[in-house]
Amino acid sequence: DSGVTQTPKHLITATGQRVTLRCSPRSGDLSVYWYQQSLDQGLQFLIQYYNGEERAKGNILERFSAQQFPDLHSELNLSSLELGDSALYFCASSPKGTGFDEQYFGPGTRLTVT
Amino acid sequence: EDKVVQSPLSLVVHEGDTVTLNCSYEVTNFRSLLWYKQEKKAPTFLFMLTSSGIEKKSGRLSSILDKKELFSILNITATQTGDSAVYLCAVVVISNFGNEKLTFGTGTRLTIIP
Repeated sequence: DSGVTQTPKHLITATGQRVTLRCSPRSGDLSVYWYQQSLDQGLQFLIQYYNGEERAKGNILERFSAQQFPDLHSELNLSSLELGDSALYFCASSPKGTGFDEQYFGPGTRLTVT
Repeated sequence: EDKVVQSPLSLVVHEGDTVTLNCSYEVTNFRSLLWYKQEKKAPTFLFMLTSSGIEKKSGRLSSILDKKELFSILNITATQTGDSAVYLCAVVVISNFGNEKLTFGTGTRLTIIP
């Protein structure tokens, strides 16, 4: 158990809908990273927040957005969902503000878009 | 566009064998290369490499980076069934906007036969 929690574990929704995925980092970690893992695209880095501010940006679509709240939990919002958005979404946390080495991954949220 | 290519895509060996996994990359503004192990859940961090020729070692696993030839290898000696996993290579680059970005390879699926 990494100490990172993600909810929900599974989510099934229809095309065109909007969903919110939630991540609570390990106690004391200020950074939260979001990743998408699909069969087509493999594992992709989406975005990083550090202490409430966006720190690094990867291949995040414009239909997706994220934020980190004052209590350091983070939410990933996915809108106008398409079949291709079906994937496993991981959150990771780190005590570091930069870099990708010391990350602790959560168990993931499996999103199925029908 | 940044590219990270791993080979082989899959590998099946017997317990006790030694394996070498390859990762080559074509990126701009290289910063570091990371290796992860992914079993049935979230990835776990193995190594971060930033300098050529310096071997990183952890138990039976070791890795080295060649920044001139743009590749890295991950060696696993005396393999055990618990080494069965997908091994992911990822490269950190500095983007045009000055922040860091992480690009993953497709992974090598390693299966160890008892």
